[in-house]
Amino acid sequence: VQLVESGGGLVQPGGSLRLSCAASGFTFSSYAMSWVRQGPGKGLEWVSVISGSGGSTYYADSVKGRFTISRDNSKNTLYLQMNSLRAEDTAVYYCAKGRREEYHPLLYPDDWFDPWGQGTLVTVSS
Amino acid sequence: DIQMTQSPSSLSASVGDRVTITCRASQSISSYLNWYQQRPGKAPKLLIYVASNLQSGVPSRFSGSGSGTEFTLTISSLQPEDFATYHCQQSYSTPLTFGGGTKVEIK
Repeated sequence: VQLVESGGGLVQPGGSLRLSCAASGFTFSSYAMSWVRQGPGKGLEWVSVISGSGGSTYYADSVKGRFTISRDNSKNTLYLQMNSLRAEDTAVYYCAKGRREEYHPLLYPDDWFDPWGQGTLVTVSS
Repeated sequence: DIQMTQSPSSLSASVGDRVTITCRASQSISSYLNWYQQRPGKAPKLLIYVASNLQSGVPSRFSGSGSGTEFTLTISSLQPEDFATYHCQQSYSTPLTFGGGTKVEIK
C-alpha cells in the first residue's frame, strides 16, 4: 500500500492550488480517504474526508467553502482543490487511507488513518 | 467539537525507561481513540487503534489503555528508535481531532 502526494508549492494569499494523492497496492474505491495537515511546528489537523464512492464529503470548519475534496477511482487518485488560500493554510498536507468504504462516525466510529503519504508542503506567502 | 489534550507536551527519558503519555477528551469518546508515532520529517504511523489494539508490525513494548475521557500510551522499555512525537486522535465524531502531540526526547 502506497500513497504519494504531489502539487504543493508556494502560492500567494488568495491564490489556488490543487493537491493530488496517487494510491497503489489496494482497491482504491473500497476506502474512504482523508487529508490531514500539519502547520510548521504544530500538531495535526484533519481537513477533509471523502467516501470510497465519492458520494459523501466532510470538511473542517476552517476550510469549508474554500477547499474541495474529490477522487477519480479510475485513476486511483485523490484530490484537494484549495481556493482563497490564507497564510494559516501553510502546512504539510498528508493524504491518509481510512478503514472502510464509508465514513460515518455514528455508525462506524472504529476508524483510523493508515497508512499516510509522505506529505506535500504548501506555503502561502506574498 | 471534541477537544483532545495530551500531557506532557514533551518529556526527556533514557533508553530502557518506562514512558507513559496521557490523552484526555473533552467528552466521552468510548474507546474510539487512536495513537500515532511521528519521527522527525516523516509521516505519522499508526501504533494503536480503538484504545488498546496494537497495529500489525508494531513492537509489543507499546500498549494503550483507557476509555471514556482518559487514555494512556505506554512504552514499556524505551528504545532509540522510539524517540519521536506521539499523537492521539478521536474517531468518535466529526470533526476528527488530534491532541497537540507529545515529543519524547533523549535524556
